[in-house]
Amino acid sequence: NAGVMQNPRHLVRRRGQEARLRCSPMKGHSHVYWYRQLPEEGLKFMVYLQKENIIDESGMPKERFSAEFPKEGPSILRIQQVVRGDSAAYFCASSPPGQANSPLHFGNGTRLTVT
Amino acid sequence: AQSVTQLDSHVSVSEGTPVLLRCNYSSSYSPSLFWYVQHPNKGLQLLLKYTSAATLVKGINGFEAEFKKSETSFHLTKPSAHMSDAAEYFCVVSGAGTASKLTFGTGTRLQVTL
Repeated sequence: NAGVMQNPRHLVRRRGQEARLRCSPMKGHSHVYWYRQLPEEGLKFMVYLQKENIIDESGMPKERFSAEFPKEGPSILRIQQVVRGDSAAYFCASSPPGQANSPLHFGNGTRLTVT
Repeated sequence: AQSVTQLDSHVSVSEGTPVLLRCNYSSSYSPSLFWYVQHPNKGLQLLLKYTSAATLVKGINGFEAEFKKSETSFHLTKPSAHMSDAAEYFCVVSGAGTASKLTFGTGTRLQVTL
């Protein structure tokens, strides 16, 4: 059973470009979460999605960031017009439906570097 | 509101000696608590979880943690460190009724020396 798959593992973008990060949850998991880890810090919650629905986006920056989890295909975290401060590791996690306190299963992350 | 404080940013132990990584939490309800480990350039792996069952929780790789409500602590221990334990460890608390808003501590980097 494959774990949470994130790609790419590393992404380099110039300031002003767009970054698209992909996440495929574990098989049977319908809940996806995105977290951001800045250097030397813990992970910070960004957004929680179920298929075709954003459940909680209270951790998302108000501008330039968006997330989706379509009916088919992976979840996408999109960052428009990237700035140096967006450089971080972005982790996706998933959990099965109907298990509110189930531990999250994390992917290996996408490390975004903005030059 | 909930928060987690990891009291040490770095811990160094010799191989074969005990490990203690300290964590204090703050929560307005009965929390779920977790310890995750992150090896360099890897994702996070769940070590153990506490969800209001037994207060002494056993996890993988010989780690365990004890939930102490009176001290609001959830310290991680291991009797004998191994070189492969060198990693970053995160204490995590989750919101009531949902795992969607995990609150992470700032992490403790464990170094294991020969």
